[in-house]
Amino acid sequence: EAGVAQSPRYKIIEKRQSVAFWCNPISGHATLYWYQQILGQGPKLLIQFQNNGVVDDSQLPKDRFSAERLKGVDSTLKIQPAKLEDSAVYLCASSYVGGPLWETQYFGPGTRLLVL
Amino acid sequence: SQKIEQNSEALNIQEGKTATLTCNYTNYSPAYLQWYRQDPGRGPVFLLLIRENEKEKRKERLKVTFDTTLKQSLFHITASQPADSATYLCALDRDDKIIFGKGTRLHILP
Repeated sequence: EAGVAQSPRYKIIEKRQSVAFWCNPISGHATLYWYQQILGQGPKLLIQFQNNGVVDDSQLPKDRFSAERLKGVDSTLKIQPAKLEDSAVYLCASSYVGGPLWETQYFGPGTRLLVL
Repeated sequence: SQKIEQNSEALNIQEGKTATLTCNYTNYSPAYLQWYRQDPGRGPVFLLLIRENEKEKRKERLKVTFDTTLKQSLFHITASQPADSATYLCALDRDDKIIFGKGTRLHILP
């Protein structure tokens, strides 16, 4: 079974520029999550999709971050404009059914973003 | 506010010994607690989940305990090996969200 795919793996941009990350979840997984992991911290949930609908985006800084999951499969996360404090690893995860937190989440390798 | 504390940033353990990692939480009573392993440059990998009504869970060399009175979970790796070196994250549920601790970097010394 192929894992969660993310691209790019690394991105360096200057502040105020925009950037987009892509995630392809495990086939058949209805739920998709985007996390932000700052160096030395645990992952922080940004947004959760169930199929192509948003379940929870309460921790997404909506003035600069946006995410979509068209057709309930792939997802993109965008930052526009980026700030220095957005430097972090952005992790995508998916789970089969989602909702119940005992559902195992499968994480991708992450995209490491550096904002200069 | 909800707080999760993992005992130390880094832990050095001699190969063959048991490594014990601690996860303490405050201001909440989670129904579930999970442990993940994260290697450098990779995403977390799910290891074990324990429910509030379970005292202990085992999987091969791994053992997790959950003490809801102490608000603490202990994660044990017995007969530790250098390949067990990684960061271990605990996570718990709150308001239908999963909240992660900062993690403990475990080094198993040969």
